[in-house]
Amino acid sequence: EVQLVESGGGLVKPGGSLRLSCAASGFTFSSYSLTWVRQAPGKGLEWVSFISSSSHYIYYADSVKGRFTISRDTAKNSLYLQMNSLRVEDTAVYYCARDPGSHYVPWCFDLWGRGTLVTVSS
Amino acid sequence: EIVLTQSPGTLSLSPGERATLSCRTSQSVSNSYLAWYQQKPGQAPRLLIYGVSSRATGIPDRFSGSGSGTDFTLTISRLEPEDFAVYYCQQYGSSPAPFGGGTKVEIK
Repeated sequence: EVQLVESGGGLVKPGGSLRLSCAASGFTFSSYSLTWVRQAPGKGLEWVSFISSSSHYIYYADSVKGRFTISRDTAKNSLYLQMNSLRVEDTAVYYCARDPGSHYVPWCFDLWGRGTLVTVSS
Repeated sequence: EIVLTQSPGTLSLSPGERATLSCRTSQSVSNSYLAWYQQKPGQAPRLLIYGVSSRATGIPDRFSGSGSGTDFTLTISRLEPEDFAVYYCQQYGSSPAPFGGGTKVEIK
């Protein structure tokens, strides 16, 4: 089955760190660019970060630049988001999403995971 | 940075009616890089339309997209019960790749 499964969410204090993972299966992981998208409770979608299929091209939203790091491991068919210096406003469900191809800039998304909830609170 | 504004915020309609959702961008969208998604409560978004007017795999033909420049429209020709949801537009092909604020289509 073609799917993305996120994990690693949880409760963390402001200023803390968390690492999200997204396990891919059912497709050739190395052929697709990937993105993290988040959704604060009761709010809309926010594009967070993009990584190309080769990892050569990486982009971040201004709201997370300098604090979050996206990476991928082809051997493990996994996407990651290292989140440091977390803020209350980072509280959200974090989705990983697949680009329909191997674009080198952010694209639209034809496959989404079910998301993992990150709560930043003291 | 491009900003996407969706209207109305909420659309109250009955099954069988036609729904027209608007997405306006602060700058002209190049190469028709505009997509639409549907999201139901507790679920991940689902791609409906890409390239302004191309339906994604498995999307019924009652969903259609149109527009150019800065004005785009998602039309649902006849609402089915499963179409009541929140819809988002997204500009892509550059960084960042922002979403609009969403339009909720609710049962009247």
